[in-house]
Amino acid sequence: KAGVTQTPRYLIKTRGQQVTLSCSPISGHRSVSWYQQTPGQGLQFLFEYFSETQRNKGNFPGRFSGRQFSNSRSEMNVSTLELGDSALYLCASSLKPPADTNYGYTFGSGTRLTVV
Amino acid sequence: GQQLNQSPQSMFIQEGEDVSMNCTSSSIFNTWLWYKQDPGEGPVLLIALYKAGELTSNGRLTAQFGITRKDSFLNISASIPSDVGIYFCAGPRAGTALIFGKGTTLSVSS
Repeated sequence: KAGVTQTPRYLIKTRGQQVTLSCSPISGHRSVSWYQQTPGQGLQFLFEYFSETQRNKGNFPGRFSGRQFSNSRSEMNVSTLELGDSALYLCASSLKPPADTNYGYTFGSGTRLTVV
Repeated sequence: GQQLNQSPQSMFIQEGEDVSMNCTSSSIFNTWLWYKQDPGEGPVLLIALYKAGELTSNGRLTAQFGITRKDSFLNISASIPSDVGIYFCAGPRAGTALIFGKGTTLSVSS
């Protein structure tokens, strides 16, 4: 079956712009979480959605937002981009709700965002 | 905030050697996960541990859930070139999905 699909794979944006990243989970998976990966900070949790509701949120500024649609696809948006937002953004999906996942998250290949 | 301390940061080994890496925390975890990330890809789950003292294998990989619940270990036996990558430990924390260690980068020379 198809894995977690993230689009686009690569993106270059200018400071001050905004960006929207997309994640299509594995068919039937209803939980989607997002992570930011940078060389300095490693993998950091952004937010998690289940059944269109945000269940958990990491320690990121309000410029980072997300949503989940009725078909479980998710998008994350970053407004007023800063150079430090350059990172690999990873999406992961899971069949079960956050409290009952057994942590069977499957990750996508990520979107590489470069802010210039 | 919560941190998982992973060591070593990097390893350079010869093909055929065994590898050990570990992850420690100042607080207790009820689940330990080990992931591998290849260049340009997302992390892939290797082993999940759910019980203190548990020892679980996946092929040449063996991981252990520490008795104190504050640490975990991953061993790779008889390394091969395709073992190259970044290995992460991770654990769930209330209010987040997963917390990750900074990773151990493994290089294997043939």
